[in-house]
Amino acid sequence: AQSVTQLGSHVSVSEGALVLLRCNYSSSVPPYLFWYVQYPNQGLQLLLKYTTGATLVKGINGFEAEFKKSETSFHLTKPSAHMSDAAEYFCAVSRGGYQKVTFGIGTKLQVIP
Amino acid sequence: EAQVTQNPRYLITVTGKKLTVTCSQNMNHEYMSWYRQDPGLGLRQIYYSMNVEVTDKGDVPEGYKVSRKEKRNFPLILESPSPNQTSLYFCASSLSIAGGLGGYTFGSGTRLTVV
Repeated sequence: AQSVTQLGSHVSVSEGALVLLRCNYSSSVPPYLFWYVQYPNQGLQLLLKYTTGATLVKGINGFEAEFKKSETSFHLTKPSAHMSDAAEYFCAVSRGGYQKVTFGIGTKLQVIP
Repeated sequence: EAQVTQNPRYLITVTGKKLTVTCSQNMNHEYMSWYRQDPGLGLRQIYYSMNVEVTDKGDVPEGYKVSRKEKRNFPLILESPSPNQTSLYFCASSLSIAGGLGGYTFGSGTRLTVV
């Protein structure tokens, strides 16, 4: 079985501050990991993904995430928050291309001017 | 433009009245899936399809039906909707069989209210 835990359903940061959204996973085999972003009244959009290779993954809009096997974590970061980053973010895990994707419950990011 | 198109975006219906939410993708993706999104529960998979005429249950299939007669279309059918099916629904597609490699492309969502 596989699962994803997102710590903090709501996170608030000031504009210009570091964004850190936490994700821990559970998987019996090497995982494939994803972050998706959902802007208000829109569908989910792939932000970045880790499959194999380099553990630091860069995505769109300045976001990046680091796969840490020893900590079973895949936290999402951005050095400087922008107002347009306000959205809901979902972490997801898969066991590979032919396996089911399991989503976390989401973290709503609020950016304060 | 590569996209997944869902219709309608908003729907209010009454208990027991059959409805269909359509989903179409123009990327020649083999894999398509339906999710429902509820506060505090994230996204839960309802049904998925690995190819034409191949469908299977996800985590919460009760009360739903699907069909995949053509590669591009994957409608979600609620034959007798109930209030507990009030939710935000998303259709998603992927080139790989489960989105586990390239990730999913999502539609814009259908907000369904059953009264």
